[in-house]
Amino acid sequence: KAGVTQTPRYLIKTRGQQVTLSCSPISGHRSVSWYQQTPGQGLQFLFEYFSETQRNKGNFPGRFSGRQFSNSRSEMNVSTLELGDSALYLCASSLRASGVTDTQYFGPGTRLTVL
Amino acid sequence: KQEVTQIPAALSVPEGENLVLNCSFTDSAIYNLQWFRQDPGKGLTSLLLIQSSQREQTSGRLNASLDKSSGRSTLYIAASQPGDSATYLCAVRPNNNAGNMLTFGGGTRLMVKP
Repeated sequence: KAGVTQTPRYLIKTRGQQVTLSCSPISGHRSVSWYQQTPGQGLQFLFEYFSETQRNKGNFPGRFSGRQFSNSRSEMNVSTLELGDSALYLCASSLRASGVTDTQYFGPGTRLTVL
Repeated sequence: KQEVTQIPAALSVPEGENLVLNCSFTDSAIYNLQWFRQDPGKGLTSLLLIQSSQREQTSGRLNASLDKSSGRSTLYIAASQPGDSATYLCAVRPNNNAGNMLTFGGGTRLMVKP
């Protein structure tokens, strides 16, 4: 079974631009979560989608948004990029919305560099 | 607000040594706790998941324990190997209907020397 895939793997943008990242979960998984990882703040939760609905949102500005499609694939968008948005963005998928035994499986991440 | 702390931040050991990584959390109302491994520049690989009702889980040379009342978990690695070198992260999931949101610790960077 294929794992979580994220595209693109690397991105270089300039301040003020916007960017869209894509995540394809493991087949059959319906929950997709996004995390930002930086050396200073570590791993921080961005948001989670389940059945095309946002279930939770972390403490990030409105420039960060996402969506989920009917096939469970998810995209996140960052508008008006700032230097501090440079990070590794990780996507995780899980089978259900609230299974106590459900492991979260992470993709390889998208490395975003903002110049 | 849940806070997760991992000590030590970095650890260097000779090959073959048994070692313990520590994770503490401030709010004991958790759904489960997961240990992950991250290789440089890569995503996270799930190692073990412990449900809130469990005390420990084992997989091969790895054993994770959970003491929810004291807010602690440990990851025990037996007979360490150079291939175990990576950053180890623990993450807790709250039981307040917050879905699959995980709160991560800062990680322990492990180096196992041949």
